[in-house]
Amino acid sequence: EPEVTQTPSHQVTQMGQEVILRCVPISNHLYFYWYRQILGQKVEFLVSFYNNEISEKSEIFDDQFSVERPDGSNFTLKIRSTKLEDSAMYFCASKGWNPSTDTQYFGPGTRLTVL
Amino acid sequence: QKEVEQNSGPLSVPEGAIASLNCTYSDRGSQSFFWYRQYSGKSPELIMFIYSNGDKEDGRFTAQLNKASQYVSLLIRDSQPSDSATYLCAVPMIKAAGNKLTFGGGTRVLVKP
Repeated sequence: EPEVTQTPSHQVTQMGQEVILRCVPISNHLYFYWYRQILGQKVEFLVSFYNNEISEKSEIFDDQFSVERPDGSNFTLKIRSTKLEDSAMYFCASKGWNPSTDTQYFGPGTRLTVL
Repeated sequence: QKEVEQNSGPLSVPEGAIASLNCTYSDRGSQSFFWYRQYSGKSPELIMFIYSNGDKEDGRFTAQLNKASQYVSLLIRDSQPSDSATYLCAVPMIKAAGNKLTFGGGTRVLVKP
């Protein structure tokens, strides 16, 4: 069964460093998402991506964040200068062609620890 | 008003019993509703979704939707210790091509043998 994959599973970085989190969405999906979950808190939307551009972003997704689909398979989230409060689980998700009904499938997540 | 609300729990149920989880949402225009299960340290895993008022059954799980009351619930029949997890209610926000999911805080379920 197709699944969303994410690498790395755990990333430790120093405050101020850049990190890139990588995702491979399900191959025939068209909509891609990043969410994050701070320990003990709810899952929060960061950004959605469709047709090679951002379709929506949250207040969390400020200028320090960017997303890219550099080729036909990868979808990346870059944090330019990490802060302590960026420590969280980051989940990538993808969805099929129907904009209003298809389910979002989540990858296993990347645990980001900022020291 | 929070967009999607759930009781945080923990909801403690004996093995074999029915666990009943509730979720309310604020957007009257919402059309679809998703239940995800999340084990500690893991990603959300889809349990089921529902679009129409009424009940939808899938194995031991039943989702119930009442759009007039803006209420969706999940029943877990014959609860097993492996059902111990946090259950997340998620509602897509229809906007452009985004359809971001708004999650409730989750209900932690503890099934005791």
